[in-house]
Amino acid sequence: AQKITQTQPGMFVQEKEAVTLDCTYDTSDPSYGLFWYKQPSSGEMIFLIYQGSYDQQNATEGRYSLNFQKARKSANLVISASQLGDSAMYFCAMSRGIFGANSKLTFGKGITLSVRP
Amino acid sequence: DGGITQSPKYLFRKEGQNVTLSCEQNLNHDAMYWYRQDPGQGLRLIYYSQIVNDFQKGDIAEGYSVSREKKESFPLTVTSAQKNPTAFYLCASSLGRSGTGSQPQHFGDGTRLSIL
Repeated sequence: AQKITQTQPGMFVQEKEAVTLDCTYDTSDPSYGLFWYKQPSSGEMIFLIYQGSYDQQNATEGRYSLNFQKARKSANLVISASQLGDSAMYFCAMSRGIFGANSKLTFGKGITLSVRP
Repeated sequence: DGGITQSPKYLFRKEGQNVTLSCEQNLNHDAMYWYRQDPGQGLRLIYYSQIVNDFQKGDIAEGYSVSREKKESFPLTVTSAQKNPTAFYLCASSLGRSGTGSQPQHFGDGTRLSIL
């Protein structure tokens, strides 16, 4: 069975600073995908970044980067130059396999990030 | 603009009543999903469908039913058998079998269901 663990309590960061949100995972599958989603207070889920288990390079998307440490089974999200609009819940999720037919996701419980002006 | 539309935004259910949540997508995605989110919690999968006329139970399917008669539509019925239906319900879609590689799911804006 797959499991995602997000144990940080509410996180606070000063505007324009970087912040790391932790995610560890557990799976016996050799191929899997790791995703981060952002959920503002309005409720919609916004896809941020993806890392495949066979990807050699860490994924980056604008101010978001994923620090993927396969041996430690961690997939931490790094947000650089935080903005007030980054205040939200952040969810780490995992898919079984990396192909379309296996895109069912398992989510962690999320981390609340608050950006201070 | 392509996207996923969920309706209604807010829904109230009386005891013993079935209610249906609508989910429509115009992204031409094969796969669709229903999740439940309780306060302060992550998303839990209720049902998913990889193709028209086929769907599978997720982790918490009891008290729910779905249909997938059209590619664009995946309605969720919360039946009277679901004793604790108050939650935020999110519908999502992805390329599914027609895609390879990264398969991010795209989400609707959700429906908040409450008991009267």
